[in-house]
Amino acid sequence: AQSVTQPDIHITVSEGASLELRCNYSYGATPYLFWYVQSPGQGLQLLLKYFSGDTLVQGIKGFEAEFKRSQSSFNLRKPSVHWSDAAEYFCAVRREYGNKLVFGAGTILRVKS
Amino acid sequence: DGGITQSPKYLFRKEGQNVTLSCEQNLNHDAMYWYRQDPGQGLRLIYYSQIVNDFQKGDIAEGYSVSREKKESFPLTVTSAQKNPTAFYLCASSIHSIGIATEAFFGQGTRLTVV
Repeated sequence: AQSVTQPDIHITVSEGASLELRCNYSYGATPYLFWYVQSPGQGLQLLLKYFSGDTLVQGIKGFEAEFKRSQSSFNLRKPSVHWSDAAEYFCAVRREYGNKLVFGAGTILRVKS
Repeated sequence: DGGITQSPKYLFRKEGQNVTLSCEQNLNHDAMYWYRQDPGQGLRLIYYSQIVNDFQKGDIAEGYSVSREKKESFPLTVTSAQKNPTAFYLCASSIHSIGIATEAFFGQGTRLTVV
């Protein structure tokens, strides 16, 4: 069965510092990969997605993610974090021949000034 | 504006009662989903539907029921058989396709509390 692991439950970074949120997936074939962000009490907003091509994907709000097949990883990065980036981030995977998204447990990002 | 509308935003239920959460989309998406969110557990799939009049159980369907009589609507009923229904419920939709990395679009959620 597919699974998604986000090893870090909480991460705290200083405003202006760089950020990397980790995501590892378990799936045999090439999956479709997504990163979503959620503000408290709100729905999820898509940051970026990957399904083929260039392994470095650019998203909204200055985020990017890199797909590394050899490591089964799809880590999210941002070079300089803003206080408004404080939220919960979810990595998700979808099979090529299915519609179901499987989500990781999420990483809560705190930004300190 | 196109999107997914969930109502109500907050819902209180007495123990032993059934409640229905509404989800409507005007994105013309074929597929719709219900997820349950609990702190530290991410999103868990309750039910999903890929076409009108058809739906499948997700990972935690016990104590829940759905219907899909219209393309735009996918209501979720939380029955009295659900032992721990207090949670945040998210509805989503996506284009039903194969070979394309279509993302799911989410509503703003309904917070259900048993009192």
